[in-house]
Amino acid sequence: DAGITQSPRHKVTETGTPVTLRCHQTENHRYMYWYRQDPGHGLRLIHYSYGVKDTDKGEVSDGYSVSRSKTEDFLLTLESATSSQTSVYFCAITGSYNEQFFGPGTRLTVL
Amino acid sequence: GQSLEQPSEVTAVEGAIVQINCTYQTSGFYGLSWYQQHDGGAPTFLSYNGLDGLEETGRFSSFLSRSDSYGYLLLQELQMKDSASYFCAVIGNTPLVFGKGTRLSVIA
Repeated sequence: DAGITQSPRHKVTETGTPVTLRCHQTENHRYMYWYRQDPGHGLRLIHYSYGVKDTDKGEVSDGYSVSRSKTEDFLLTLESATSSQTSVYFCAITGSYNEQFFGPGTRLTVL
Repeated sequence: GQSLEQPSEVTAVEGAIVQINCTYQTSGFYGLSWYQQHDGGAPTFLSYNGLDGLEETGRFSSFLSRSDSYGYLLLQELQMKDSASYFCAVIGNTPLVFGKGTRLSVIA
């Protein structure tokens, strides 16, 4: 257990509304990641952070923004949610041996 | 860019051995990892290969050949609880990139 929590765990929202997902870690890890997982696509990187206020884009960053104002929190924001953003979102951190530890996931449905 | 190829589905009998292959193309290479994910759950780390050869952890082993851009995960003495999706992932010059996953079904 790498001390990673995500909130909310489930969310249903409507197209066009803003949504923010939170990832919280308790072990002071430098690197944090946001992935989305969809059937047939595996895990795809949205954004990642390598320190407070240091973030970069991943493979599927369009429509998403992130912020990291504290080491322990990494926020993912959908400025205007679309149905194509219906997915399961996982947060992850990198451990000491290049392994990644994942949070429990957030299931987001955009109607 | 980076890409990984692994079979989409594999079925094996309880008690048997199964091998899940992964080939990759990457710019820069540091290592190959494997993750397990049960339905409804989060991926969990299984193994990491940074050098050529076999790494063994209990019933699971992972192999890497850097010259062939190839690795595999070997599961022995299969149990019903091993039914899950397995992902290979490459660590290169960019953050971890995952394959699309192999769904393993263990049957009695």
